[in-house]
Amino acid sequence: NAGVTQTPKFRILKIGQSMTLQCAQDMNHNYMYWYRQDPGMGLKLIYYSVGAGITDKGEVPNGYNVSRSTTEDFPLRLELAAPSQTSVYFCASHSSYNSPLHFGNGTRLTVT
Amino acid sequence: DAKTTQPPSMDCAEGRAANLPCNHSTISGNEYVYWYRQIHSQGPQYIIHGLKNNETNEMASLIITEDRKSSTLILPHATLRDTAVYYCIVRSSPSAGGTSYGKLTFGQGTILTVHP
Repeated sequence: NAGVTQTPKFRILKIGQSMTLQCAQDMNHNYMYWYRQDPGMGLKLIYYSVGAGITDKGEVPNGYNVSRSTTEDFPLRLELAAPSQTSVYFCASHSSYNSPLHFGNGTRLTVT
Repeated sequence: DAKTTQPPSMDCAEGRAANLPCNHSTISGNEYVYWYRQIHSQGPQYIIHGLKNNETNEMASLIITEDRKSSTLILPHATLRDTAVYYCIVRSSPSAGGTSYGKLTFGQGTILTVHP
């Protein structure tokens, strides 16, 4: 099993550009999450999904969008990138309410 | 969500037990305590979780006080590779609206440094 796979690993964007961060899991997990982590800080929840077709906002959703058309994939869309979105983005998944989250290795995004 | 309080940093000698404390005085009866760690900005790694009983696995032990207001993560024989940020998290209960999910709310964690 590959677990949770995030692509790309690194990306540099110019202000105003858009991009999609990809997240895929091969564990048939219903629950998926997007977190961001700023330098020296803990992780903050951006969006989450409890199954295909169901998504909801977390703590810091502004400037982002998500979709969940399949169980496996949970892409995160950045529209009109801003320097404040410079961060490390982590995707995670788990199978049932109280099962542990499995995290990907992150996407390091810089907006200049 | 119940909040947690952890010391910002701790040191431990290699080969000794590392005991990482966590306070969660507002925890609810059906909320679990989870521990994760993060090494060199990699994705967080699950360590252990528990409700009220003490738990042990191949990585660590979790001791939860009887009133559940605090807990301690024990790494029995710390190695240099255990140097990381350790997060104590109280996992949210299913929302009142019926959409169950088990999100994790991360705090600042404890930076554990294991030295030779």
